[in-house]
Amino acid sequence: KAGVTQTPRYLIKTRGQQVTLSCSPISGHRSVSWYQQTPGQGLQFLFEYFSETQRNKGNFPGRFSGRQFSNSRSEMNVSTLELGDSALYLCASSLNGGPDTQYFGPGTRLTVL
Amino acid sequence: KNEVEQSPQNLTAQEGEFITINCSYSVGISALHWLQQHPGGGIVSLFMLSSGKKKHGRLIATINIQEKHSSLHITASHPRDSAVYICAPLSGSARQLTFGSGTQLTVLP
Repeated sequence: KAGVTQTPRYLIKTRGQQVTLSCSPISGHRSVSWYQQTPGQGLQFLFEYFSETQRNKGNFPGRFSGRQFSNSRSEMNVSTLELGDSALYLCASSLNGGPDTQYFGPGTRLTVL
Repeated sequence: KNEVEQSPQNLTAQEGEFITINCSYSVGISALHWLQQHPGGGIVSLFMLSSGKKKHGRLIATINIQEKHSSLHITASHPRDSAVYICAPLSGSARQLTFGSGTQLTVLP
């Protein structure tokens, strides 16, 4: 089976812009979770989608949003970018979420100038 | 206080040494993941534990739910084990992962 893919892999944006990141899970996986990784804060949970519904949400402002499509592919959107949004954004898929093993994508490295 | 504490933060070992990384957490959890992250960012899930002990090759993970503590052991360490190891408890109620700050392991030949 193909692994989790994320596009784009690298992105440079300026403050105030918005960005959309894409994640394609492993075939058959219904849960997709998104994480932000920064040198200062480490890994932090953003949100989880399961069967097109947001099931869990981390402690991030409303500028961070996401969605999941019927084929389980997921997108996350960040509006009004700030310098502090520069990070590695990782998605992970699992069969049903919760304690199921998560398979991580390679990440999208976002730089906000 | 962080919900998840990992120790040590950095660890340098000689090839062949036995390595232990510890993880303590303060929240109630239903399971705990150990993750490995190589330079460049790729993350691999090594173990998911809800009780006891699991072994995969040279890697062993243990968890004591009552003590709120987990350990990751690497036997006969090898330079290819050099990576960041992250423990990630799955909170029981919120069903979301929280993360330790990671242990940077360097194994020298």
